[in-house]
Amino acid sequence: DAGVTQSPTHLIKTRGQQVTLRCSPKSGHDTVSWYQQALGQGPQFIFQYYEEEERQRGNFPDRFSGHQFPNYSSELNVNALLLGDSALYLCASSPGLQETQYFGPGTRLLVL
Amino acid sequence: GENVGLHLPTLSVQEGDNSIINCAYSNSASDYFIWYKQESGKGPQFIIDIRSNMDKRQGQRVTVLLNKTVKHLSLQIAATQPGDSAVYFCAEIPSSGGGADGLTFGKGTHLIIQP
Repeated sequence: DAGVTQSPTHLIKTRGQQVTLRCSPKSGHDTVSWYQQALGQGPQFIFQYYEEEERQRGNFPDRFSGHQFPNYSSELNVNALLLGDSALYLCASSPGLQETQYFGPGTRLLVL
Repeated sequence: GENVGLHLPTLSVQEGDNSIINCAYSNSASDYFIWYKQESGKGPQFIIDIRSNMDKRQGQRVTVLLNKTVKHLSLQIAATQPGDSAVYFCAEIPSSGGGADGLTFGKGTHLIIQP
């Protein structure tokens, strides 16, 4: 049984570019949450998707957007990249709301 | 704003000893707490969780204690092994009518195992 998978594993972009990160939830999970983790910090909640809708959003600008597909997989899009967007982006899935979230390995984004 | 924090950034223990990692939270409305372990270069790994209607929960070699009176959470690891070396985060989910549950994480405690 595959766990949460994310792609790509690493990515290098330049300021002003756009990036799309992908996440496939654990089998049987329908809820996907995205987090940003800066070096030496705990993960920060970006947003959560359930039933293909954004259900909750953390304190992130509109440059951060997402989507959930009918098969429950999800994408995170970041526009107009800033140097400060360099971080590990984590996806977590759960079998519904208010259930334990299981994390993927993350995508390491470096913005130059 | 309200947040979850940890008392010690680094904890060093001898192999075989018990480890206790502490966490203070400030959101009294939180009703679900989770401990995660994160090894270098990996995503957080679920260890154990506890809901606010409990004060203790045990797993394999781990115990989580919740003291709602002082808003304190702890993770006890018995007979610490080298593989326990990692950063440990506590995370909380505030109760909300909407049902969505973005986790709020603390900064983490780096557990170092001395041989």
